[in-house]
Amino acid sequence: DGGITQSPKYLFRKEGQNVTLSCEQNLNHDAMYWYRQDPGQGLRLIYYSQIVNDFQKGDIAEGYSVSREKKESFPLTVTSAQKNPTAFYLCASSKAGETQYFGPGTRLLVL
Amino acid sequence: RKEVEQDPGPFNVPEGATVAFNCTYSNSASQSFFWYRQDCRKEPKLLMSVYSSGNEDGRFTAQLNRASQYISLLIRDSKLSDSATYLCVAYISGSARQLTFGSGTQLTVLP
Repeated sequence: DGGITQSPKYLFRKEGQNVTLSCEQNLNHDAMYWYRQDPGQGLRLIYYSQIVNDFQKGDIAEGYSVSREKKESFPLTVTSAQKNPTAFYLCASSKAGETQYFGPGTRLLVL
Repeated sequence: RKEVEQDPGPFNVPEGATVAFNCTYSNSASQSFFWYRQDCRKEPKLLMSVYSSGNEDGRFTAQLNRASQYISLLIRDSKLSDSATYLCVAYISGSARQLTFGSGTQLTVLP
């Protein structure tokens, strides 16, 4: 089946720890995105990538990092610099100029 | 001012009712629009695209008024399964960031 997968579904982070969220797509989409959603809030763009080995900061990039070494993969690292990481993280992908399709999301909780 | 604004609701309507959601956008360069549906604790899923003056798909009708920078979504004969949060989304052609999301309107259809 074609689609976007995210793992894990739930992730727990300890103080001072970096954690990495996985996002993989087999839709042959060039562009990939990471969003953060807080309870009762809309989606906020963290990072996006239009092509392999290139990515740009979104509106709330501080405390996060990404890489795009393969077309299919766009992992997001939540670093210890992100002081309020508890949220629902959504990965999306699209063809150029077309709408975005989302993965099932990862819920990050701080212990 | 947010780029895409929606009435957050909640809208509580009886089954079979007709309900309308409104959305305004501030960037006149926005060229196309989408309505996404998001169920509780799930990822957003594309409901409808709105490229010109409007679009209809079964019980759902989306309308666009570029002069007033306003989009609406009408749901006729509401079903219990329509209960969700509806996200209004604007797309600017040529923008690498692609989509700007509203915060969503929550709908609960009551039996």
